[in-house]
Amino acid sequence: DTEVTQTPKHLVMGMTNKKSLKCEQHMGHRAMYWYKQKAKKPPELMFVYSYEKLSINESVPSRFSPECPNSSLLNLHLHALQPEDSALYLCASSQTHSGMAGNTIYFGEGSWLTVV
Amino acid sequence: AQKVTQAQTEISVVEKEDVTLDCVYETRDTTYYLFWYKQPPSGELVFLIRRNSFDEQNEISGRYSWNFQKSTSSFNFTITASQVVDSAVYFCALSEVLDNFNKFYFGSGTKLNVKP
Repeated sequence: DTEVTQTPKHLVMGMTNKKSLKCEQHMGHRAMYWYKQKAKKPPELMFVYSYEKLSINESVPSRFSPECPNSSLLNLHLHALQPEDSALYLCASSQTHSGMAGNTIYFGEGSWLTVV
Repeated sequence: AQKVTQAQTEISVVEKEDVTLDCVYETRDTTYYLFWYKQPPSGELVFLIRRNSFDEQNEISGRYSWNFQKSTSSFNFTITASQVVDSAVYFCALSEVLDNFNKFYFGSGTKLNVKP
């Protein structure tokens, strides 16, 4: 079973709605990630938090707003999304050891988002 | 620049056949890590294996085996005696270290269909 938990599993929202995706891990990891995955494509990195600070924003539109309240939690706030934002959103976490590229990234089960 | 190529988009086999999934990578780093993940239809990316650039020993785990060859920049994955439960999309990834976290470069994935 995955140790990265994501809620909700499925979400349908209108283009004027505000919703949030939530992610939690209890592996003591200090790096957390949001990925977006469209059908038949690999995951695309959106955001990276390292030690609760935003380290990477891969030019993601402002209608996606990440938040890292503490070392175990990661949220993705959604507002005024477009139908093309419909995708699988994956949360992940990893250890943080400077200079080591070998930290395994562990993924959650994902949140399937449909924007109508 | 980092790049991972999975040339096989989709492979179909009959149960109990052996199947090899190809992965070719490009990197200028001398130290790097390679990963394989499995993504069943449920969505979660399941970690299968991590291999560092210093260790070219092949690895076997049950019906799974991996062949890492630096000379050809390849990290191929073989499933022996395939089963229907092996049906999934398989991603190969190359890891780059940035500060205290990893950035993954995913291949485009290979969809494996195992028919009974």
